[in-house]
Amino acid sequence: AQTVTQSQPEMSVQEAETVTLSCTYDTSENNYYLFWYKQPPSRQMILVIRQEAYKQQNATENRFSVNFQKAAKSFSLKISDSQLGDTAMYFCAFMSPLGGAQKLVFGQGTRLTINP
Amino acid sequence: NAGVTQTPKFRILKIGQSMTLQCTQDMNHNYMYWYRQDPGMGLKLIYYSVGAGITDKGEVPNGYNVSRSTTEDFPLRLELAAPSQTSVYFCASTIGTGNGEAFFGQGTRLTVV
Repeated sequence: AQTVTQSQPEMSVQEAETVTLSCTYDTSENNYYLFWYKQPPSRQMILVIRQEAYKQQNATENRFSVNFQKAAKSFSLKISDSQLGDTAMYFCAFMSPLGGAQKLVFGQGTRLTINP
Repeated sequence: NAGVTQTPKFRILKIGQSMTLQCTQDMNHNYMYWYRQDPGMGLKLIYYSVGAGITDKGEVPNGYNVSRSTTEDFPLRLELAAPSQTSVYFCASTIGTGNGEAFFGQGTRLTVV
């Protein structure tokens, strides 16, 4: 079974700084998807960024980018020029297309606080 | 588009009571899921469905039941509520093909006392 580990329960940075959230995963599969979800105090789960394992290029979405190291099974999220609105829980998630069900496996989350 | 809609948003149950959490999606997605999120933890899969009439257990199915009579609806039933079921419940859906992006409802905060 796949597992996802986020080793940083909490992080705190000043506004405008850059912060990197860590995620490692364990799988024997070669083709899969990785996601970062943001959960603000409203509880809504918001997709931040997605990475397909067969793509070597790291995904980017505006201020958000990932460092995907397939051999090391590492998938970190970098937030540049952090803003107060980035304060939230962040979850790393793994999804395998095998078996057809597209089930997500989540890490424990990292609580990120952006300070003014 | 409403996306994935869950009701209710909050509920307090007494031990032993039953209830159904409702979930409906209007995106014609084939796959639907129920996850629970305990305090300070990630989401864990309770049940999922890959189409009308097809359901299967996830990682933590004990104490729950589901049904999928239509593509749109995927209710979650708690038969005998226990304090261990105090959690936030999320319904989600995916189209079943493509990039696997999941769309989530707003969640239901359930407290069993």
